[in-house]
Amino acid sequence: GENVEQHPSTLSVQEGDSAVIKCTYSDSASNYFPWYKQELGKRPQLIIDIRSNVGEKKDQRIAVTLNKTAKHFSLHITETQPEDSAVYFCAACSLGGAQKLVFGQGTRLTINP
Amino acid sequence: DTEVTQTPKHLVMGMTNKKSLKCEQHMGHRAMYWYKQKAKKPPELMFVYSYEKLSINESVPSRFSPECPNSSLLNLHLHALQPEDSALYLCASSQEGTVYNSPLHFGNGTRLTVT
Repeated sequence: GENVEQHPSTLSVQEGDSAVIKCTYSDSASNYFPWYKQELGKRPQLIIDIRSNVGEKKDQRIAVTLNKTAKHFSLHITETQPEDSAVYFCAACSLGGAQKLVFGQGTRLTINP
Repeated sequence: DTEVTQTPKHLVMGMTNKKSLKCEQHMGHRAMYWYKQKAKKPPELMFVYSYEKLSINESVPSRFSPECPNSSLLNLHLHALQPEDSALYLCASSQEGTVYNSPLHFGNGTRLTVT
């Protein structure tokens, strides 16, 4: 089955700097890659997703890149703000089979003012 | 209405109790999910209902019993739980029965403590 590895587990950046979180997946059939943000005590919320037919997607300060050959995808947050502090989870899903989301272990991002 | 509502927010139960968690969505979504999340860990899939039928059971112990009375409601019945079952239980829904075409929308969860 699919296995998703996420790095780093914790990340601390200065406000205004960029943050990058990386994930690798094992199943070459996976073709949908969402990113969820979970603030302390709150629910996971989808912030951006990408499908395997594109290499990059951007939404304001957030972008996701996908390298299908290397089987890795990354989340990029630019001009970080204190409200970006949260745990971020990447996930992968295969169109075939049970079509389940497999989550990475999460990255705790802290933005220092 | 773009929310998934879960009740109760907090639940403390003994190992001999029977309780139920409830989840409701009014977005017309056709798939509903139960996830379990331990502290500092990602959500773990437990059950998936697609078009009111159980489509995925991730080998969850029988002390957890899901029920989908209709397309808007999802219950999780709890009986004879163990302390290690203490966790945040998240309900989610998606428009279609597959996450590929319709992302998950999570509720705020029920924080369960088993004493």
